[in-house]
Amino acid sequence: EPEVTQTPSHQVTQMGQEVILRCVPISNHLYFYWYRQILGQKVEFLVSFYNNEISEKSEIFDDQFSVERPDGSNFTLKIRSTKLEDSAMYFCASLGEQGASYEQYFGPGTRLTVT
Amino acid sequence: AQKVTQAQTEISVVEKEDVTLDCVYETRDTTYYLFWYKQPPSGELVFLIRRNSFDEQNEISGRYSWNFQKSTSSFNFTITASQVVDSAVYFCALSEASGGSQGNLIFGKGTKLSVKP
Repeated sequence: EPEVTQTPSHQVTQMGQEVILRCVPISNHLYFYWYRQILGQKVEFLVSFYNNEISEKSEIFDDQFSVERPDGSNFTLKIRSTKLEDSAMYFCASLGEQGASYEQYFGPGTRLTVT
Repeated sequence: AQKVTQAQTEISVVEKEDVTLDCVYETRDTTYYLFWYKQPPSGELVFLIRRNSFDEQNEISGRYSWNFQKSTSSFNFTITASQVVDSAVYFCALSEASGGSQGNLIFGKGTKLSVKP
């Protein structure tokens, strides 16, 4: 069964450092997403990406965040200068072609710890 | 604006009891999708069900059942004969189909279910 993969599973970084979280969506999917879950809280939408550009972003997704699909396979989330409050679980998700199913497949998540 | 409310923060039951998790949603769209996800202690999000706004039929899958009522904007989830392995946080989510919100999920705050042996 196809699955979304994410690396690393856990990333520890110092405040002010840049981090890149990586995701490999399901190969024939066209819509990609990043979500964030601060420990013990709900899952929050960050950004959606389609046709090599951002289609929507939330208020959380400020100038410190960026996304890329550099090689047609990986989908990355970059945080330029991490803050303590960026500590969270970050989930990548992808959606089937033409949005037919609206059944988002989530990756296992990357736990980001900013110290 | 869209919103999902899960009023029950935590529920504790004894094994074999039935339990219902409530979900109330708000949306201005006529076409939307509702979801339930399970998040076990290991942290991953496990898809349970998707329902579109035009399909109000209740669904049963094994010990799980879902009651979708547009009149009350609710999409409740019942686990029959609960088991310890059902212990998890359960999230209800909404996705609107219009505009640029293609597939973006709005989650409720989740209900933590503890099933004790």
